[in-house]
Amino acid sequence: DAGITQSPRHKVTETGTPVTLRCHQTENHRYMYWYRQDPGHGLRLIHYSYGVKDTDKGEVSDGYSVSRSKTEDFLLTLESATSSQTSVYFCAISETGGSGNTIYFGEGSWLTVV
Amino acid sequence: RKEVEQDPGPFNVPEGATVAFNCTYSNSASQSFFWYRQDCRKEPKLLMSVYSSGNEDGRFTAQLNRASQYISLLIRDSKLSDSATYLCVVIYGGSQGNLIFGKGTKLSVKP
Repeated sequence: DAGITQSPRHKVTETGTPVTLRCHQTENHRYMYWYRQDPGHGLRLIHYSYGVKDTDKGEVSDGYSVSRSKTEDFLLTLESATSSQTSVYFCAISETGGSGNTIYFGEGSWLTVV
Repeated sequence: RKEVEQDPGPFNVPEGATVAFNCTYSNSASQSFFWYRQDCRKEPKLLMSVYSSGNEDGRFTAQLNRASQYISLLIRDSKLSDSATYLCVVIYGGSQGNLIFGKGTKLSVKP
């Protein structure tokens, strides 16, 4: 196992409420990522981090923000959840970044916005 | 937009069959290639990296064809436990923001 814990694993929330998903790693890896996976779209990058307080946007960042105050934690926040954000969210980590690097995934967080 | 394309399947094969998946990519500057396996309602897990010279791990063989811009995965002597979705992954350049996943090919191995 890659030492990645996501919480919560399952959540149902109402439209317009804020939601924060947490990713915790025990590997001390520099790079952390948030993806969402939807039928017909595959895995899409939301945001990623290349160090404490260093983050960048991915392909589908609108409506999401992230924070990384410690190496081991990467938080994904939906400021005002919408039904289009119903999805499964995967956190991932990698040691060095760049080509040739392997990415490991957490078990996923299933979010339903009603 | 940089694309990675896979046949979504499903590929329905009997136990013991040999099955092959292809994945095409659009950017010739792609540097690294991987195959991941994803079981239903589980996270993707690394199956194998793909090297220019081709590589084999037991019943699994991965190959890269840079001229035609595709990677392949061959599974020999299919087992029921091979049933899953197989994702190809391409990394462009040195930034982790340039990692692109295919949508996956679903394999179902039947008794």
